[in-house]
Amino acid sequence: GEDVEQSLFLSVREGDSSVINCTYTDSSSTYLYWYKQEPGAGLQLLTYIFSNMDMKQDQRLTVLLNKKDKHLSLRIADTQTGDSAIYFCAETTNTGGFKTIFGAGTRLFVKA
Amino acid sequence: DGGITQSPKYLFRKEGQNVTLSCEQNLNHDAMYWYRQDPGQGLRLIYYSQIVNDFQKGDIAEGYSVSREKKESFPLTVTSAQKNPTAFYLCASSRRTGNSYNEQFFGPGTRLTVL
Repeated sequence: GEDVEQSLFLSVREGDSSVINCTYTDSSSTYLYWYKQEPGAGLQLLTYIFSNMDMKQDQRLTVLLNKKDKHLSLRIADTQTGDSAIYFCAETTNTGGFKTIFGAGTRLFVKA
Repeated sequence: DGGITQSPKYLFRKEGQNVTLSCEQNLNHDAMYWYRQDPGQGLRLIYYSQIVNDFQKGDIAEGYSVSREKKESFPLTVTSAQKNPTAFYLCASSRRTGNSYNEQFFGPGTRLTVL
């Protein structure tokens, strides 16, 4: 069935780049998303990419999509302590578009 | 400001009681969703609704009920039949474009604790 997998933890130093990885199984994915969740809050959409794109850049964020390997990554340049949060990868499949599958989330720790 | 709101932020319930969580959106979105989040886990879909007066079960609907009488409102009732209801509950909405739905916007969540 459909599945989205992410590593659970990532620790980086302030000012370094962070790379959060995600793999998915449904080859009919149409959109892939990255959401950010701060403690005790809802999810905030960071960025998304269409499945026919390879890369999308938005300020400090770079999304790379390898459709052949079903691999998605989020790179955060110049990581700041305010970037500490849980990052969720999600895909919307081409099954009427109503179902979005979320990964378990990667907790990013940024050390000062 | 357009957005999606949930209330209350914290809710305590005794075992055996039903409780209703509120979710309201003024984004004019067609679809609304309820998710449950447990520590260290991703989001699990409880119920979703694509249109007023219609809703479907998600992956973990047992012990929950919903209604969609108005486009902007999608309340979730956690019944006494839900065996392990303590969790963080998130509501979301999305706009319909043709035959698909756009990205989901989330409310701030309600943390339910059963005493």
